[in-house]
Amino acid sequence: GAVVSQHPSWVICKSGTSVKIECRSLDFQATTMFWYRQFPKQSLMLMATSNEGSKATYEQGVEKDKFLINHASLTLSTLTVTSAHPEDSSFYICSASADTNTGELFFGEGSRLTVL
Amino acid sequence: AQSVSQHNHHVILSEAASLELGCNYSYGGTVNLFWYVQYPGQHLQLLLKYFSGDPLVKGIKGFEAEFIKSKFSFNLRKPSVQWSDTAEYFCAVNARTPDKLIFGTGTRLQVFP
Repeated sequence: GAVVSQHPSWVICKSGTSVKIECRSLDFQATTMFWYRQFPKQSLMLMATSNEGSKATYEQGVEKDKFLINHASLTLSTLTVTSAHPEDSSFYICSASADTNTGELFFGEGSRLTVL
Repeated sequence: AQSVSQHNHHVILSEAASLELGCNYSYGGTVNLFWYVQYPGQHLQLLLKYFSGDPLVKGIKGFEAEFIKSKFSFNLRKPSVQWSDTAEYFCAVNARTPDKLIFGTGTRLQVFP
């Protein structure tokens, strides 16, 4: 199947700093990527849809100035958590669709963010 | 807005027992349906998917799911579970307009030898 890779897989940062997470589709091009957030023992919550060459579409309740998304190429989307606070600590997962007919998504390994 | 509900939050079974996990969605139009699995410490993997045709779909590792349109359901089944099936199972729905995948709350399955 299609491969999606995230980096870093684990990051610890101080409160007030910014953290960038990269999401790459390794063997296919993705005009659309999706960013999810997963809290412990909970489901995946869609944060935003990242569109190549245009602005991301954020879900209701997600602060666009806090979670900056850039999709500069067909194989790379980045999520930047700005001025991170402890409540931003979570597991962030990106995904991309290799088959626009079915809407099936392939997921990255996830990035665990811990804000001290 | 579309939503997905999974009624079983935590299921505990012995090996060789049969499994059925419920999934219901709320959307009146055409949907694509998925079951994903997350093994401990691993990322999400696709178990099976439905987007048209035979409503009974077969996936990997002996899993199958049946799409019942009248009941807005897409239940996951396996006739005989194994210890290695211990994982978190997520049902997901894509209503295509807008094109995004919405997940259910997940079901934690524990299988004991």
